[in-house]
Formats: sequence, structure tokens, C-alpha cells
Amino acid sequence: GENVEQHPSTLSVQEGDSAVIKCTYSDSASNYFPWYKQELGKRPQLIIDIRSNVGEKKDQRIAVTLNKTAKHFSLHITETQPEDSAVYFCAASILSGTYKYIFGTGTRLKVLA
Amino acid sequence: DTEVTQTPKHLVMGMTNKKSLKCEQHMGHRAMYWYKQKAKKPPELMFVYSYEKLSINESVPSRFSPECPNSSLLNLHLHALQPEDSALYLCASSQAGGNTEAFFGQGTRLTVV
Repeated sequence: GENVEQHPSTLSVQEGDSAVIKCTYSDSASNYFPWYKQELGKRPQLIIDIRSNVGEKKDQRIAVTLNKTAKHFSLHITETQPEDSAVYFCAASILSGTYKYIFGTGTRLKVLA
Repeated sequence: DTEVTQTPKHLVMGMTNKKSLKCEQHMGHRAMYWYKQKAKKPPELMFVYSYEKLSINESVPSRFSPECPNSSLLNLHLHALQPEDSALYLCASSQAGGNTEAFFGQGTRLTVV
């Protein structure tokens, strides 16, 4: 079935350390993988995305890697800052007549000052 | 304009009431989505409209009735809801095609009493 697994569910890191969040998807036809950050009481906002024809993408302190064979993708945040504290969701686009976005279960990241 | 605007921000309704949630975007997006999000959970897809036609209904109870009057507007009509329907209702839009960013509105926090 359509499924996106995400680990860990919570992650605490010291300020300045790196954080890694991992996701696995089930539909091999998925071709787009966004990452959203959601602060408490706010809307999910895209922080980075990757398409299936690319293995890695970087934007300043944030990077995403994709392994299509293993159906894994990961978010890497370097030099973490307290303002990075939020819930992060991975997602995968799945074709079901039309495209839809299925979200992972979320990771609550706490960056400790 | 990269905004998706939802009204109202908060809604309290009784189980016998009828109310509507509204969503508007002016980015020319032809795919629009309704998601339901419970506390500490990921957004859960309810409906997808593509080119103003309902293309995905994720087995949502009939007490939720979506409507897409034109390419900029998306409504969710609510009737005879249950307390367990209390949640944050998020609208999103994207280019049709599934491998582009979905922009989220700030949500309507619904409480059913």
C-alpha cells in the first residue's frame, strides 16, 4: 500500500551538531520527495525537495539524499540552531489517478542551546 | 503571490450545525487539496481536485463535502460532525503534475462541541 515511514520520531541535538532524519517509501513510481517544517500552530512549509532524477541536493545548511533502489531518502541539517526546532515531515508524491502527497509520521527536532 | 488563504482561522460548531471552510489561491495552481491534521500527527489527505474536478476522495465520510467553484477557490462543507472531527484542516495547492511544491494555507482550527 501507500506508505511513508519516518524515523526517528523525536531527535534532540546540541546546538551546532548535525541532525539526520530518514524516510522510506513504498511506491516505486514516486518521483518527488519534499520535506516540510512545521512550527507549533503554523502551516507546513517546504524547506527542500528532491526529484527522482537527482541523488542529492543541498541548500546552505540543509541537504537531502535519495536512494531510489532502496527507496530511502534522508534530510541532513548541519550546524543546527535553536530556530531549527520544529516538527519535520517527509512526503512522497504518489500517482493514484492524479498525484497526491503522502506524509511521513513526523520527527520532532529539539535543538538544545 | 505565493499565499494560500484559508478562512476562518478558528471555528467552533455544534454537532447539528452546517458550516463551510474556504480556501483561496491566486498562483494559477490547478491542483488543490484538503488535509486533516490531528495534534502530533502528520497531515492526512482527504480530497484532491485537479482542474476543478474531484479526482481523489480518501474514503472521507459524507458529512464532509468538498466543492471547487473555480480554479482559485476550494470549499469544504461540514454537516453533522462529530467531536472526533475536531482538528486542524489544511488546504494546499500545487501545479498539476505531482512533482512540484505544495503550498499550504495556515489552516482552520475546528472544534466540534
